[in-house]
Amino acid sequence: AQSVTQLDSQVPVFEEAPVELRCNYSSSVSVYLFWYVQYPNQGLQLLLKYLSGSTLVKGINGFEAEFNKSQTSFHLRKPSVHISDTAEYFCAVSDRASGTYKYIFGTGTRLKVLA
Amino acid sequence: DTGVSQDPRHKITKRGQNVTFRCDPISEHNRLYWYRQTLGQGPEFLTYFQNEAQLEKSRLLSDRFSAERPKGSFSTLEIQRTEQGDSAMYLCASRGDSGATNEKLFFGSGTQLSVL
Repeated sequence: AQSVTQLDSQVPVFEEAPVELRCNYSSSVSVYLFWYVQYPNQGLQLLLKYLSGSTLVKGINGFEAEFNKSQTSFHLRKPSVHISDTAEYFCAVSDRASGTYKYIFGTGTRLKVLA
Repeated sequence: DTGVSQDPRHKITKRGQNVTFRCDPISEHNRLYWYRQTLGQGPEFLTYFQNEAQLEKSRLLSDRFSAERPKGSFSTLEIQRTEQGDSAMYLCASRGDSGATNEKLFFGSGTQLSVL
């Protein structure tokens, strides 16, 4: 069965520093990959997605992620974070090749941006 | 686009009682999902509807849980004989039909269930 691993439960980082949030998924022939963000007291919203094509995808708020098939990873990066990026970030995968429509989410990484 | 609405926002119930939650998806979305989220965990898939058809259901889902989407619009999730382990945030999400631009879930704010 498909699974998603987010190794870091919390990542503290100073404002204007770069950040990388790690995500690994279990191998499959073809998967769709996503990052969702949950700001305090708000619902989850899509940050970016990889469906096919270029392995570097850009999302909202200056975030980007790189799909690496050989390492089964989809790490999220931002070159310079702001206080407003403090939120919980969830990596998700959908394995359409197996005939499922569900999205499987990781346990989340809490990004805390410090002044 | 008024977003995905969930009602109620909070529900406190006693163990053994039945509860029902409602989700109103974005009007043009024919696909609807229910997820459950507990503290420190990511959303856990419960069930999926395409229009009124329930096409996928988690194998982990107890028989006490049932969901409906009778007219392909709003959906309800019922939990019978609630247990303390059912305490969680119940999330509803919707999306449009197949296609790259519709590979995007829109989530509601959730219903927080507390079973005493």
